Amino acid sequence: SQTIHQWPATLVQPVGSPLSLECTVEGTSNPNLYWYRQAAGRGLQLLFYSVGIGQISSEVPQNLSASRPQDRQFILSSKKLLLSDSGFYLCAGGGRNTEAFFGQGTRLTVV
Amino acid sequence: SQQGEEDPQALSIQEGENATMNCSYKTSINNLQWYRQNSGRGLVHLILIRSNEREKHSGRLRVTLDTSKKSSSLLITASRAADTASYFCATVLASGYSTLTFGKGTMLLVSP
Repeated sequence: SQTIHQWPATLVQPVGSPLSLECTVEGTSNPNLYWYRQAAGRGLQLLFYSVGIGQISSEVPQNLSASRPQDRQFILSSKKLLLSDSGFYLCAGGGRNTEAFFGQGTRLTVV
Repeated sequence: SQQGEEDPQALSIQEGENATMNCSYKTSINNLQWYRQNSGRGLVHLILIRSNEREKHSGRLRVTLDTSKKSSSLLITASRAADTASYFCATVLASGYSTLTFGKGTMLLVSP
């Protein structure tokens, strides 16, 4: 089965600073990968998904970007964080015709 | 856009009771999945049910799917305090390339 590694678990960043969250996958090759954001303990909002290296689809226009430089690596970035970027960020793999595997999430607080 | 909507938003029961959570969706699906999330953690997959299936079981979990009503239910029997968590349904649409779209979840509290 897949394992999603995501770090760090918590992050406090000042407004205007850059962001880089990394997610790596074990146990499968060529997975579909996703970045979700969860606000205030509620539903998950899909931010980006990728079906392969260099292939990124954005679901919501925003201050964030994603990249997939390697098959098992998915990176969420921002050049300048906003207060509204605070939230719980989750990386996931799989999940279309099979179950999705989630990382443990990163709690981002922008101050 | 929101596809799945769970009901109720919150549910509080005693240990030993059954918990039923419902999910409604708007567009024809390929499959529907239920996930559990403990506070501040990642989601854990519970059950996937495909559009041609009506019922699936896994331990104390029972999921039903009614495609005519565009709804699904998750039943947890003989609940335990450790079942306390948020439960989400997620759908994959039948047409086109569809990602996993989550509802807002049901917060379940099981009291000892």
